[in-house]
Amino acid sequence: AQTVTQSQPEMSVQEAETVTLSCTYDTSESDYYLFWYKQPPSRQMILVIRQEAYKQQNATENRFSVNFQKAAKSFSLKISDSQLGDAAMYFCAYQPQGGSEKLVFGKGTKLTVNP
Amino acid sequence: DAMVIQNPRYQVTQFGKPVTLSCSQTLNHNVMYWYQQKSSQAPKLLFHYYDKDFNNEADTPDNFQSRRPNTSFCFLDIRSPGLGDAAMYLCATSRGHFTDTQYFGPGTRLTVL
Repeated sequence: AQTVTQSQPEMSVQEAETVTLSCTYDTSESDYYLFWYKQPPSRQMILVIRQEAYKQQNATENRFSVNFQKAAKSFSLKISDSQLGDAAMYFCAYQPQGGSEKLVFGKGTKLTVNP
Repeated sequence: DAMVIQNPRYQVTQFGKPVTLSCSQTLNHNVMYWYQQKSSQAPKLLFHYYDKDFNNEADTPDNFQSRRPNTSFCFLDIRSPGLGDAAMYLCATSRGHFTDTQYFGPGTRLTVL
C-alpha cells in the first residue's frame, strides 16, 4: 500500500526566512501525482502546489517550490520569504495516475511563523 | 465566487441522535467527497460520488451514509453518532476523478455529547 510520511510534526520559521518541509512516500507505481495542501487554523484546506511524477522539472508557485526526487521518493516543500499568513498545517498527499485510487495524505506538519 | 460551502460549521448532537451535515458547490464539479479529520490527524476519505455513482471506502462504518440528490448538493448522514465520531468533516469536490485538484469546504466540526 502507498504511504506518505511527513517526519516533522512541527516546524517554525522566522518571518521573511525560508523553511523546507519534508515528505517521503512509498509506491511501486511509476506514474502518479503529488500535492501539498495547506490548512490554516479554522479555515479550509487549499492546494499549494501539484507535481506530476513524469515531469522532471520541479513545480513552483510564487514563493512555494518543491524539490521532487523521484528515485529517492522525496517531495519537499520550500517556502521562501515566509509570511505570517503561511502559518498552517501542511499536508503532503499522493495520488496514483489511474484515477480510481484515493488521495493518500501524510499526517501533516504544523508550521509556525514567528514575527 | 465559486466555492464549496458546508453547513453548519459547528454541529452538536447527542450520543445516538441522527445528524446530517450538508455540502453544496457552485463549481459544477462531477465528484464530491466526504472526509473525516480527527484532531491532529490527516483527513480520511469516507466515500465519494462521481456524478450519481456512490463509492464507499471499505473501512467506512455502516453508521455513515451519504446522499447526492443533484450535482450541487451532497449530504453526510450519521445514523447513530458515537463519541468516536466527533471530528471535523470535510467536503471536497473535483472536476474529474481523483487526479484532478480537490477543492475543500471549510468543514463542519461535529461534537457528540
